[in-house]
Amino acid sequence: KQEVTQIPAALSVPEGENLVLNCSFTDSAIYNLQWFRQDPGKGLTSLLLIQSSQREQTSGRLNASLDKSSGRSTLYIAASQPGDSATYLCAVTPLENAGNMLTFGGGTRLMVKP
Amino acid sequence: ETGVTQTPRHLVMGMTNKKSLKCEQHLGHNAMYWYKQSAKKPLELMFVYNFKEQTENNSVPSRFSPECPNSSHLFLHLHTLQPEDSALYLCASSPPARGTTDGYTFGSGTRLTVV
Repeated sequence: KQEVTQIPAALSVPEGENLVLNCSFTDSAIYNLQWFRQDPGKGLTSLLLIQSSQREQTSGRLNASLDKSSGRSTLYIAASQPGDSATYLCAVTPLENAGNMLTFGGGTRLMVKP
Repeated sequence: ETGVTQTPRHLVMGMTNKKSLKCEQHLGHNAMYWYKQSAKKPLELMFVYNFKEQTENNSVPSRFSPECPNSSHLFLHLHTLQPEDSALYLCASSPPARGTTDGYTFGSGTRLTVV
């Protein structure tokens, strides 16, 4: 059974810092990995999607990398801003054709202080 | 708006009430999902529909009853709920076919409180 773990569970940094959020998964047979952002009490916003054949994806100040063989992904946020404060979730889609169901990590709650 | 719309945004219901949550998407996706998010717990998959057919029921109690009349609409019918069912219920959609670059798209959720 796939398990997804995110470290740290919570992170507080001053504005302007570059930071890295970590995601690990136990089964490397994945189809893709997706990073989401969730603001308190709200739904999930997709940030980046990495296919299993890709090593990284970039969008603005965000860069996500994938090392499938070691079961790891990182989300790099450059020059963090208070508006980046949210919970960040990673999720993987299984390679098997049985479904396209995501398995989520527990999330990293990020607070960027002005 | 993400393209997936959920209504209502907030719902308070008594344990003997019957209510329904609605989800609608016009992204051309053919797979739709219900997830439950409780405090301090990872997101839990409840139901999956592919091309209007239920393909997954993740051991959800029968007091939750999904309905998918077409590929664009998904409902979650609720009856005789318990206080521990209070949570954020999230709907999502995705293209079912592999080989696309689209991932999941989530709605904003319905915050349900059972009193």
